[in-house]
Amino acid sequence: DQQVKQNSPSLSVQEGRISILNCDYTNSMFDYFLWYKKYPAEGPTFLISISSIKDKNEDGRFTVFLNKSAKHLSLHIVPSQPGDSAVYFCAGLSGAGSYQLTFGKGTKLSVIP
Amino acid sequence: EADIYQTPRYLVIGTGKKITLECSQTMGHDKMYWYQQDPGMELHLIHYSYGVNSTEKGDLSSESTVSRIRTEHFPLTLESARPSHTSQYLCASSEYGESGPQHFGDGTRLSIL
Repeated sequence: DQQVKQNSPSLSVQEGRISILNCDYTNSMFDYFLWYKKYPAEGPTFLISISSIKDKNEDGRFTVFLNKSAKHLSLHIVPSQPGDSAVYFCAGLSGAGSYQLTFGKGTKLSVIP
Repeated sequence: EADIYQTPRYLVIGTGKKITLECSQTMGHDKMYWYQQDPGMELHLIHYSYGVNSTEKGDLSSESTVSRIRTEHFPLTLESARPSHTSQYLCASSEYGESGPQHFGDGTRLSIL
C-alpha cells in the first residue's frame, strides 16, 4: 500500500519553461513533505520541504505547493534548466518519535535545451 | 552540505559470502538510516538509529543487521549474501529535530551472483 504516489514516471519540458511535478499521499499523519533530486550514480539530494501547516514554500526557482484537503503536493521549477534533468522524489516525514521518510517512486524530469 | 560516505560504491560477490557495507558521516548527526532501492522503485527504510547503541528496524523487512558503536559510523552487514539481496543500498543521516532533512551518501550497488 503506497502512502506516497508519484503517478508520472517521466516528464519532458523545454528549457526556460515551467516544470510541474506532482505527488499524492494517503497518510494524514505526515508532518513535513520533502523533495529530493537524484542524478544517476549519486545519492538523493535534498531540494526543498514544506510543513504540513503551510500551503506554499519557495526557494529560488523552486516552489512547493501543498493542498491538504486534496492530499496533493506539487513542485514547480521556473525556469527549467538542462541541469535540472534528474529523478525527483517526493517524501513524507512522520514524526511521532520515528522521523521516518516515506518515498514515492520518483519522476524522471528531462529538460530539453 | 553534509559529508556522508559509503564504501564500496559497487560490489559484485558470490552467494554465501559475508558482506559489510560501510557508512560514515562527519556532521556529528545523531540520526542515521539505511534504505534499499530497486531500479524505478521507491526507497524503503530498512534500519535506523537515533544515536550510539540505538538501532531499529524499518518498514521493509531485511535480513541485514546494523550496529552503531560510534556516532559517525553505521555499518550494515549481511551474514550470508543471496541473489535476492541484489539492490542499491543508501545511507543517510540527519540532525535531531522534526524538520531536519536527511542527507544521503552516494550508495552501494550490490550484486550477488
